[in-house]
Amino acid sequence: DAGVIQSPRHEVTEMGQEVTLRCKPISGHDYLFWYRQTMMRGLELLIYFNNNVPIDDSGMPEDRFSAKMPNASFSTLKIQPSEPRDSAVYFCASKTASVLDQPQHFGDGTRLSIL
Amino acid sequence: SQQGEEDPQALSIQEGENATMNCSYKTSINNLQWYRQNSGRGLVHLILIRSNEREKHSGRLRVTLDTSKKSSSLLITASRAADTASYFCATNDYKLSFGAGTTVTVRA
Repeated sequence: DAGVIQSPRHEVTEMGQEVTLRCKPISGHDYLFWYRQTMMRGLELLIYFNNNVPIDDSGMPEDRFSAKMPNASFSTLKIQPSEPRDSAVYFCASKTASVLDQPQHFGDGTRLSIL
Repeated sequence: SQQGEEDPQALSIQEGENATMNCSYKTSINNLQWYRQNSGRGLVHLILIRSNEREKHSGRLRVTLDTSKKSSSLLITASRAADTASYFCATNDYKLSFGAGTTVTVRA
C-alpha cells in the first residue's frame, strides 16, 4: 500500500531559479495538504485542496508560491523566483473525509536548499 | 499561529522508562491528534482522541484529554530506542495546527 510520494527528496538550487515540488497522494484520498517545516517557524500549513480544488491558501507566504492539483493523483508546489529564505522541508499530506476522524498521511518531504 | 503547544521541548530518558509529554491548545476542538516524526522523515499519525473522550490507549501509548483545561498528554510506556523522535500534537481536522514538538531521546 503506497503512501504519499514526494519528489524530489532533495533539491539544491540557486536563488532566482524556479523550483517545482511534486506530490502523489494516496489513492482515494480527497484532501491534499502542503506544509513547510523550518526550525524557526515549525510546521506551517501552506494550502489545501479538496477534490482538486484549492480551499484555503491563506498560508502561502507570497505570490512567488503557487500550487496546483490538475487531477486527483498529482499536485505541484512551485516557487518562482526562489529565495534563500525559502529553504525548508516541504511536506505533502493527504486524507480521506469519507470516514470520520481520519488522520492526515504525510510524505517524507522535499528538503529544499536555495543558495 | 500555533494552536497546539507541547511541553517539555526536550526529554531524555533511559530505555524502559516512561515518557510523558503535554499539549495545550487555545480554542475549542473536535479532536486532537498526536504525530511522531523520526529524523529526516515525514509525520506519522499515532492516535486521535475526540473531544468527548477523556482517555485512549493504543499499544504502549496512552492519551488523555481535558477539554476544561484545553490540554492533552501523551504517555509512552516502556520506552525503546525506536521511540526516539519528535512528537507533535495537532488540532482541527483540516487546517492542522502543530506545536513546536517535544523531542524525545531514549538512551540504551
